[in-house]
Amino acid sequence: AQSVAQPEDQVNVAEGNPLTVKCTYSVSGNPYLFWYVQYPNRGLQFLLKYITGDNLVKGSYGFEAEFNKSQTSFHLKKPSALVSDSALYFCAVIKTGANNLFFGTGTRLTVIP
Amino acid sequence: DTAVSQTPKYLVTQMGNDKSIKCEQNLGHDTMYWYKQDSKKFLKIMFSYNNKELIINETVPNRFSPKSPDKAHLNLHINSLELGDSAVYFCASSLGRGRYTEAFFGQGTRLTVV
Repeated sequence: AQSVAQPEDQVNVAEGNPLTVKCTYSVSGNPYLFWYVQYPNRGLQFLLKYITGDNLVKGSYGFEAEFNKSQTSFHLKKPSALVSDSALYFCAVIKTGANNLFFGTGTRLTVIP
Repeated sequence: DTAVSQTPKYLVTQMGNDKSIKCEQNLGHDTMYWYKQDSKKFLKIMFSYNNKELIINETVPNRFSPKSPDKAHLNLHINSLELGDSAVYFCASSLGRGRYTEAFFGQGTRLTVV
């Protein structure tokens, strides 16, 4: 089955420290990978995507993600966390031949002041 | 200008009732979706329409019926509501089939069945 996995339900990080939210994928063919963020009582906001090209993808709000084919990972990173980054983060993949997003289970990020 | 808008934002209703959620996008996208987010925050695709044509219909009870009057609108009608239907329903849109682009989401409709 084609999917993404987010192994951590919760990630806590101190403000100003680097943050990483993990995602691994399992797809046949080329992976089309995405990160979304959901703030409380809000919809999902697109952060960044990897379709092809450079393995390091830069996105909104200072976030970036590194596509690693050998480790089948697409971890979300930010050099210096802000309290306002606290939210629910979803990794997603588009299945080959389809166009809808298939989401991971989400990781709640808490940035501690 | 809201790109994907859905109404209502909150919906509280009794078991057995019929209700609809409306969705509109002004992005000129060809494809629209309905996703369901349960109490554990899991997100699951329910339906997908491309230019008013149904292209995805996941395992969803037939009490749920999407309707797309044009490619800018995708409504969700739910008959005979059950307690287990309580969830947040998100509408989304994207450029369309064969184009691996991001989807844009509405703010969600929190449905509570009592």
